[in-house]
Amino acid sequence: QKEVEQDPGPLSVPEGAIVSLNCTYSNSAFQYFMWYRQYSRKGPELLMYTYSSGNKEDGRFTAQVDKSSKYISLFIRDSQPSDSATYLCAMSAHGFQKLVFGTGTRLLVSP
Amino acid sequence: NAGVTQTPKFQVLKTGQSMTLQCAQDMNHNSMYWYRQDPGMGLRLIYYSASEGTTDKGEVPNGYNVSRLNKREFSLRLESAAPSQTSVYFCASSEGLVRSPLHFGNGTRLTVT
Repeated sequence: QKEVEQDPGPLSVPEGAIVSLNCTYSNSAFQYFMWYRQYSRKGPELLMYTYSSGNKEDGRFTAQVDKSSKYISLFIRDSQPSDSATYLCAMSAHGFQKLVFGTGTRLLVSP
Repeated sequence: NAGVTQTPKFQVLKTGQSMTLQCAQDMNHNSMYWYRQDPGMGLRLIYYSASEGTTDKGEVPNGYNVSRLNKREFSLRLESAAPSQTSVYFCASSEGLVRSPLHFGNGTRLTVT
């Protein structure tokens, strides 16, 4: 079993929908959590970074960490076609040299 | 402000050939990383450099070598390329190993035939 699990999708939604992207993990020591967005043939771009648990909001994006359930989520409000990309979760216990990435969820937002 | 720049963008090698992937960052970051990305496998760390003058192995270092040339530049070398090294290679940098998250370049697509 992988240390970080992420549904590969694709997840297809209409423009304006609220999108929920999720990752589950098995290592209870994880305390650094990140979400990256990756457009086709581009590098991952940092969206959200959370240390420990709780929520963080940035514009249309909200990241949630539930350490008791070993579950993290990224919510995108008022989704746009430009949000169509692959979303990667990443997490670490002791530093970024031990960062573990999910395999990514492909999101398609149709106009 | 370019961020993390990787060269070349694309490369095709024959089995046994060697090449060096170049990476430079202009954010004054201390730490730099090399990852490979393969379908269904996620990003996997090849090597990293916590600070100028140090390098350490990551999860999949076999077949690769690295050089931290200075604070800005971190290169990845394939001495004798194998088809299993066909992948997309990403360089990344961060302020340190814990302080701020990674910023990535746009990758080098390598095919080994």
